[in-house]
Amino acid sequence: QSVLTQPPSASGAPGQRVTISCSGSSSNIGSNTVNWYQQLPGTAPKLLIYSNNQRPSGVPDRFSGSKSGTSASLAISGLQSEDEADYYCAAWDDSLNGPVFGGGTKLTVL
Amino acid sequence: QLQLQESGPGLVKPSETLSLTCTVSGGSISSSSHYWGWIRQPPGKGLEWIGSIYYSGTTYYNPSLKSRVTISVDTSKNQFSLKLSSVTAADTAVYYCARVDTTGTLDHWGQGTLVTVSS
Repeated sequence: QSVLTQPPSASGAPGQRVTISCSGSSSNIGSNTVNWYQQLPGTAPKLLIYSNNQRPSGVPDRFSGSKSGTSASLAISGLQSEDEADYYCAAWDDSLNGPVFGGGTKLTVL
Repeated sequence: QLQLQESGPGLVKPSETLSLTCTVSGGSISSSSHYWGWIRQPPGKGLEWIGSIYYSGTTYYNPSLKSRVTISVDTSKNQFSLKLSSVTAADTAVYYCARVDTTGTLDHWGQGTLVTVSS
């Protein structure tokens, strides 16, 4: 059982926009910034979004993040086949004194 | 460019101790702005934080694993290590090492290594 809650799956056609939600509590998302990681099949997770809505160098601006209260979301616009991956949200948890993760959302490009 | 590489046995017997090392290249493990962490992912499942260490040796462990985990650092070799004792099949997972910034962001990851617990 993951500390942060994500839908297990999401899908969209090429070119469409999809959003993935992430819900937490006051000890994690409510008081700390949210990060998103992309895990392509058979590879290690890669930082996709940090500090709620910042993109590391090299991440396309099709990817965007937002946070409100104890929830966050990842939006992917102009969906492409190479976006098929698992997406994980994460945030520092003040009770755990470490990062907590969502269970992951498997994105399928139809 | 910062790189992290996990190494260690891919097969561990039940009740024994799992030992992994992460070698950091392209940067110093003695950075005052970062911690170094271990994360695992059981097959087909999500990510679980195991623990983190600062170059000074200060450690933070997931309470669910704390009684079995030891993380150490060797600044002379630019490495940090994980030991997980009394392993069971439930500890079978891909183990990742990562760099952690002061906000808890894991900004660089190793490629991961699969550790199977089986007799």
